[in-house]
Amino acid sequence: GESVGLHLPTLSVQEGDNSIINCAYSNSASDYFIWYKQESGKGPQFIIDIRSNMDKRQGQRVTVLLNKTVKHLSLQIAATQPGDSAVYFCAVSNDKLIFGTGTRLQVFP
Amino acid sequence: EAGVVQSPRYKIIEKKQPVAFWCNPISGHNTLYWYRQNLGQGPELLIRYENEEAVDDSQLPKDRFSAERLKGVDSTLKIQPAELGDSAVYLCASSFGRGRSNNEQFFGPGTRLTVL
Repeated sequence: GESVGLHLPTLSVQEGDNSIINCAYSNSASDYFIWYKQESGKGPQFIIDIRSNMDKRQGQRVTVLLNKTVKHLSLQIAATQPGDSAVYFCAVSNDKLIFGTGTRLQVFP
Repeated sequence: EAGVVQSPRYKIIEKKQPVAFWCNPISGHNTLYWYRQNLGQGPELLIRYENEEAVDDSQLPKDRFSAERLKGVDSTLKIQPAELGDSAVYLCASSFGRGRSNNEQFFGPGTRLTVL
């Protein structure tokens, strides 16, 4: 089966800096990947997704990079703001979503 | 537009007691999911419904957990009897579309269950 892991449980960045959150997956047949943001007391919120036929996708201040060779994806947040503070999960989909353990992003002034 | 609604938001019960969680998905979403999220972990799928049919319940502990979605809209997840290890956040999500799980899922706020 699939396993998904994030590289760091906690990431601290200064406001205005860029943040990079990394994730590794195990199943080379996985073809759909999603990043979620979860604030305290709330359910996960969709940020951005990418399919396996792409290696990069950009949204508003966020970019997801997919490296299928090493089975790695990352979420880049530009100009990190205090409102970005949350736990970020990558999720990998084959027939169902498999979530990683999450990285807590802390933004300090 | 209202999102996924869950109730109650919090529940504290003693072990061996029954408990039920309710979810109302986004209008028009035919696929409904129940997840369990343990502290510090990502959500884990318990059961997925397409309309009123449970199409994936492989991770549902069937000895004590049950779920229903009788009219293909709202759903109830029940635990009877609850154990200490059931303490977690129970999340409901819904999506439009059927088949594989690559349709965007919208999550509710969850029910935080504490079993004493």
